[in-house]
Amino acid sequence: KAGVTQTPRYLIKTRGQQVTLSCSPISGHRSVSWYQQTPGQGLQFLFEYFSETQRNKGNFPGRFSGRQFSNSRSEMNVSTLELGDSALYLCASSPGQGMTRGGYTFGSGTRLTVV
Amino acid sequence: AQSVTQLGSHVSVSEGALVLLRCNYSSSVPPYLFWYVQYPNQGLQLLLKYTSAATLVKGINGFEAEFKKSETSFHLTKPSAHMSDAAEYFCAVTQNGANDYKLSFGAGTTVTVRA
Repeated sequence: KAGVTQTPRYLIKTRGQQVTLSCSPISGHRSVSWYQQTPGQGLQFLFEYFSETQRNKGNFPGRFSGRQFSNSRSEMNVSTLELGDSALYLCASSPGQGMTRGGYTFGSGTRLTVV
Repeated sequence: AQSVTQLGSHVSVSEGALVLLRCNYSSSVPPYLFWYVQYPNQGLQLLLKYTSAATLVKGINGFEAEFKKSETSFHLTKPSAHMSDAAEYFCAVTQNGANDYKLSFGAGTTVTVRA
């Protein structure tokens, strides 16, 4: 059974650009959550999608957005990149919302560097 | 609202010695609690989880944790450290039965194992 797949693994972007990250959840999982990990702020929740609807959002500016497709794959987008957006972005999938039927499995992450 | 506090950002143990990582939680409703491990340039791997069943939870790689409501703690232990246990460990909490499914993480504890 394939795990959570995040693409790309590494990305370098310039300030002011925008970026799109992709997450393919485990087959059959319908919920996808996104987290940002930085040395200074640690692991912070970005948003959660279930059945193509954003169910929960963390405390991030509007430059951070996401969506979920009918096949449960999810993308997150960051516009007008800032140096502080450099981070490891982690995606987690779950069979249902939250702890329903087991909980979260994380991908290996996308390492974004903004220069 | 829920949160966790991990006591000690770095722990150094000798190979074969006890590993003890401390986590205290704060939650207004019964919590679900987790321990995750992260190896360099990797995502988060679930070690174990507490979901209101047995208070002593056994996980992978010989780790276990005990939920103590009176102490609001969920400390992680392993009787005998192995070199492969060198990694960063995160305690996390989410709410049981609420609509807020996000994970709130502690700041992490880095474990080094001395030969």
